[in-house]
Amino acid sequence: GNSVTQMEGPVTLSEEAFLTINCTYTATGYPSLFWYVQYPGEGLQLLLKATKADDKGSNKGFEATYRKETTSFHLEKGSVQVSDSAVYFCALTPASGNTGKLIFGQGTTLQVKP
Amino acid sequence: EPEVTQTPSHQVTQMGQEVILRCVPISNHLYFYWYRQILGQKVEFLVSFYNNEISEKSEIFDDQFSVERPDGSNFTLKIRSTKLEDSAMYFCASTGQVNEQYFGPGTRLTVT
Repeated sequence: GNSVTQMEGPVTLSEEAFLTINCTYTATGYPSLFWYVQYPGEGLQLLLKATKADDKGSNKGFEATYRKETTSFHLEKGSVQVSDSAVYFCALTPASGNTGKLIFGQGTTLQVKP
Repeated sequence: EPEVTQTPSHQVTQMGQEVILRCVPISNHLYFYWYRQILGQKVEFLVSFYNNEISEKSEIFDDQFSVERPDGSNFTLKIRSTKLEDSAMYFCASTGQVNEQYFGPGTRLTVT
């Protein structure tokens, strides 16, 4: 079946450090891949997406590349800020029978210290 | 910027009671979803709704759950007889394109 696995958190970094949050998936065909972010007390916001292999999604300094060969969609940012502290969710929508449902990973908490 | 809204933000109910969670999706969106997140766990898909009918539901979405779009603007999730394990954050989402869902802020349901 379809599933998403994220690296365990929490991840604690100092401001301006480099961020990587690993995400791998299991799915048939070519699912669409997403990163969502949840700030404290808020709902989920779409951060970036990629819909086909080798696509790079980017937004607000965050990037992720759709790697079919390694079934991965790792999230990166070159220099994190305190305001990036949040929970990050990797997700996919299946390639077939697509009603658009999202299948999420377990979420990774990022804490950035000044 | 248009947004998905949900009410109430927090609902406390006793086991066995019925609850209705309400959502107002973005006005020109066509696809609607409910998800839930039990504290400390991943966000789970419950149901998708399109053209006034359920298009897909998960195994969590049993006979105790129902959804409705009663008036062309609201989208509701009803839990007929709540159980302790229904305590969770419930998120509504909508999309005009299947690949970009917009989420509401959630309703925290506490069943005592």
